Amino acid sequence: GNSVTQMEGPVTLSEEAFLTINCTYTATGYPSLFWYVQYPGEGLQLLLKATKADDKGSNKGFEATYRKETTSFHLEKGSVQVSDSAVYFCALGPNSGYSTLTFGKGTMLLVSP
Amino acid sequence: DTGVSQDPRHKITKRGQNVTFRCDPISEHNRLYWYRQTLGQGPEFLTYFQNEAQLEKSRLLSDRFSAERPKGSFSTLEIQRTEQGDSAMYLCASSPGTGTGELFFGEGSRLTVL
Repeated sequence: GNSVTQMEGPVTLSEEAFLTINCTYTATGYPSLFWYVQYPGEGLQLLLKATKADDKGSNKGFEATYRKETTSFHLEKGSVQVSDSAVYFCALGPNSGYSTLTFGKGTMLLVSP
Repeated sequence: DTGVSQDPRHKITKRGQNVTFRCDPISEHNRLYWYRQTLGQGPEFLTYFQNEAQLEKSRLLSDRFSAERPKGSFSTLEIQRTEQGDSAMYLCASSPGTGTGELFFGEGSRLTVL
């Protein structure tokens, strides 16, 4: 079956540091890959997505590249801000049909000034 | 534009009581999903509707869990005879009939069973 593995948190960084959150997956076929973010007290929001191999998703300075050969979709940002403090979830889902996303356990990011 | 709304945001109940959560999806979305999220875990899929039809319910956690979407708009998730292990955040999401799989989530309904 499908599964997603994320690095455990919390990840603690100072403002302007470089961020990497690792995500690897196991899936049949060719899934779409997603990063969702959950800010304190808010619902899950889509951060970025990629629908096929070698696609790069990007949003708000975050990037992730769909690597089929390493079954990975690592999240990166060159310079984090305090406002990026949140829980980040990697997820995969089918490219067609209904979308029962499979989520990782989430990685908490804490950014200090 | 309103997003997905869920009610109540927090429910505290005693073991053995029944609880019901409501979800109002984004109005033009015909697909609706329920997920459960426990502390330290990612969301776990429970069930899915396309319009009023419940197309997947095998992942509901037990026969104490049921969901409806009678007119293809709002949905309810009911848990009967609650147990302490049911304490969790219950998330609703919706999506349009086409697209690349993005789900739009509500803020969730937190259940605490004493």
